[in-house]
Amino acid sequence: GIQVEQSPPDLILQEGANSTLRCNFSDSVNNLQWFHQNPWGQLINLFYIPSGTKQNGRLSATTVATERYSLLYISSSQTTDSGVYFCAAGGNTGGFKTIFGAGTRLFVKA
Amino acid sequence: DTEVTQTPKHLVMGMTNKKSLKCEQHMGHRAMYWYKQKAKKPPELMFVYSYEKLSINESVPSRFSPECPNSSLLNLHLHALQPEDSALYLCASSQGPGQGSTEAFFGQGTRLTVV
Repeated sequence: GIQVEQSPPDLILQEGANSTLRCNFSDSVNNLQWFHQNPWGQLINLFYIPSGTKQNGRLSATTVATERYSLLYISSSQTTDSGVYFCAAGGNTGGFKTIFGAGTRLFVKA
Repeated sequence: DTEVTQTPKHLVMGMTNKKSLKCEQHMGHRAMYWYKQKAKKPPELMFVYSYEKLSINESVPSRFSPECPNSSLLNLHLHALQPEDSALYLCASSQGPGQGSTEAFFGQGTRLTVV
């Protein structure tokens, strides 16, 4: 099955800094999502991005499907950005067998 | 509305109890999922239902029994669980085959403790 790897595993930033999170996947995908999990466990949808580039405020994401990676950019980080960021990918089973990477744990210091 | 509702939010059960987790969505999605998440780990896929039929079972022990009574509801019946089954159980839904994108939306989860 598809393998999903995220880096870095942990990241500490000063408020206002920028960061890039990476997600590598082992096979072609029909589904690629980025989530932010808050301290209460809620998975918040950030991007659905099997290919291309999207932006939403201070966040943007790019997926290069032919090279099997996706990047999540966080600009001007805020303390509320702290939490765990997951990349999840679904492969050729119509995208329904969605597998999560291990996550990047982000802490933004005030 | 992109809401998936799970009940209860918290559940404590003994190893001999039978309980059920419930999940509901009204987005017209025809694919629904159960995930299990242990502390400091990513969610792990347990089951996928597509058009109310079980399409993926990730070799989950039979003490977990899923049910999809209609296109809006998904249940997870629990029986004779072990303490190591304590975890956050997440339900998700997405459009089904032929409906469009497979973007998944998650509920807030049920935090289960087995004593």
